[in-house]
Amino acid sequence: AQTVTQSQPEMSVQEAETVTLSCTYDTSESDYYLFWYKQPPSRQMILVIRQEAYKQQNATENRFSVNFQKAAKSFSLKISDSQLGDAAMYFCAYRNTGTASKLTFGTGTRLQVTL
Amino acid sequence: ETGVTQTPRHLVMGMTNKKSLKCEQHLGHNAMYWYKQSAKKPLELMFVYNFKEQTENNSVPSRFSPECPNSSHLFLHLHTLQPEDSALYLCASSQGWTSGSVNEQFFGPGTRLTVL
Repeated sequence: AQTVTQSQPEMSVQEAETVTLSCTYDTSESDYYLFWYKQPPSRQMILVIRQEAYKQQNATENRFSVNFQKAAKSFSLKISDSQLGDAAMYFCAYRNTGTASKLTFGTGTRLQVTL
Repeated sequence: ETGVTQTPRHLVMGMTNKKSLKCEQHLGHNAMYWYKQSAKKPLELMFVYNFKEQTENNSVPSRFSPECPNSSHLFLHLHTLQPEDSALYLCASSQGWTSGSVNEQFFGPGTRLTVL
């Protein structure tokens, strides 16, 4: 069974600075998807960024980028130029390819953004 | 507005009550999901429906009963719950499954359930 581990329960970053959230996962599959979801205090979970395992290039979405290390099974999220609106719970998630659409989530990292 | 709505947003019920949670998606998706989110635990997938057919029941107790009358609506019927069932219940939807597609899941705001 796949597992996802987020070893940082809480992180803090100053506004305009850069922060990296870590995520590791365990799988025997060679092709899969990885996701970072954001859950602000209002609780609506939204997708931040995704990575297909077969792609070597790291995904980027504006201020959000990932460092995908397939051999190390690591999938960290980097937030540049942090903003107050980035404060939220961040969840790393894994999904196999194929017809099964089950997402496996980590326990989340709470990100605080300070002035 | 993510296109996935859930009602009610908050629910307090006794252990002998019967209640239902409702989820509706306006995204034209064909797969819907129920998740349970408890403090300091990963989101737990409970049920999955793909084209109205239940494709996964993740060892959920029978006091939780899902219903998917069509691809836009998903219900979670609750009866004789326990205090440990108190949690945030999230609904999500995605495109119906086809091999090779990402099937990004879109989440609703959740129902905060408290069982007394």
